[in-house]
Amino acid sequence: DAGVIQSPRHEVTEMGQEVTLRCKPISGHNSLFWYRQTMMRGLELLIYFNNNVPIDDSGMPEDRFSAKMPNASFSTLKIQPSEPRDSAVYFCATNPPTGPSGYTFGSGTRLTVV
Amino acid sequence: QKEVEQDPGPLSVPEGAIVSLNCTYSNSAFQYFMWYRQYSRKGPELLMYTYSSGNKEDGRFTAQVDKSSKYISLFIRDSQPSDSATYLCAMSETFYGGATNKLIFGTGTLLAVQP
Repeated sequence: DAGVIQSPRHEVTEMGQEVTLRCKPISGHNSLFWYRQTMMRGLELLIYFNNNVPIDDSGMPEDRFSAKMPNASFSTLKIQPSEPRDSAVYFCATNPPTGPSGYTFGSGTRLTVV
Repeated sequence: QKEVEQDPGPLSVPEGAIVSLNCTYSNSAFQYFMWYRQYSRKGPELLMYTYSSGNKEDGRFTAQVDKSSKYISLFIRDSQPSDSATYLCAMSETFYGGATNKLIFGTGTLLAVQP
């Protein structure tokens, strides 16, 4: 298994531009979580899905952030318009339907908004 | 107050030392406690997990949970330079997989083991 695959690994964009981050979960993992990591705040849960349905988006900081999971193999996190304070590492993590288990994380997308 | 508090460090120790990493939490409903290790520019990877109170040992690593004090620890014996990483504690109210297993993370402690 290739694990959780995130793309791109690095993204540098100008303020005001739209940014789309992508995640391919491990096959069979039916829960998907988007996290943001910064030095100041650590890992923050933004949103999570179960069976492709958004369960809790209370961690999404603003309406500029949106996430979708159109099928079991793909999820996106979009920021529009992007701002410098959105600069962080964004992680996708997935979880199988039964446990006990812990999340499997992707390698993250390092976003820099200038 | 954050649900999970963790000293960010950095913590620097000589090779072979015993390392103690700790987290405190406020939510008494947490039942499932994990430790993740994160190398630079990588995603966190699960190191070990424990359920409820008690100890669990895995090689050089021992996890302890004291629910009465809302305090968890990770001990690393005979620390190696390869143990240098950020260690994150994580907790949830439920034990099994799926969306109910919503993990809350500490901010992580940066550990450097000097050769």
